[in-house]
Amino acid sequence: KAGVTQTPRYLIKTRGQQVTLSCSPISGHRSVSWYQQTPGQGLQFLFEYFSETQRNKGNFPGRFSGRQFSNSRSEMNVSTLELGDSALYLCASSLEAANEKLFFGSGTQLSVL
Amino acid sequence: GENVEQHPSTLSVQEGDSAVIKCTYSDSASNYFPWYKQELGKRPQLIIDIRSNVGEKKDQRIAVTLNKTAKHFSLHITETQPEDSAVYFCAASTGFQKLVFGTGTRLLVSP
Repeated sequence: KAGVTQTPRYLIKTRGQQVTLSCSPISGHRSVSWYQQTPGQGLQFLFEYFSETQRNKGNFPGRFSGRQFSNSRSEMNVSTLELGDSALYLCASSLEAANEKLFFGSGTQLSVL
Repeated sequence: GENVEQHPSTLSVQEGDSAVIKCTYSDSASNYFPWYKQELGKRPQLIIDIRSNVGEKKDQRIAVTLNKTAKHFSLHITETQPEDSAVYFCAASTGFQKLVFGTGTRLLVSP
């Protein structure tokens, strides 16, 4: 069974640009969550999607948005990039619940210059 | 909202020693507490989890204990091996809501 796949693996952008990250969950998993990982801050929850609906949301500004498609694949978008958005963005999928038995992808390393 | 504090931030042990990582949480309604291990350059992976109706859970060399009264839970690794070297994250959640993670503990096991 294929794991959680995230693309691209690396991204370099400049301030003010926007970026779209993609996540394909494990087959059969309906919940997809996104986390931002930075050194010293651990993993910060961005949002979670289930059946194409945002079910949970973290404390990030509106520049961070996401969506989920009917096949459970999810995308995350960050507009008007800031230097502080540089981080590893991790996607995690699970069968149903947003918190249990999460399987993480390898992440997208975003660098904002 | 929930807040999870994790200590220590760095832990160095000799191979064969035990390692203990502690976390405290703020929301008394939290009822699910997983631990994730992230090796260098790799994705986090679930290693053990515990629910609030259980005080202790073991899986081979790792165990987790929960003290609901004090609102803290701990990860215990016995007979540590070099391959245990990684960053360990604790987390807490309420119901089926989002996980709130601690800031991580870097464990280094020296041969």
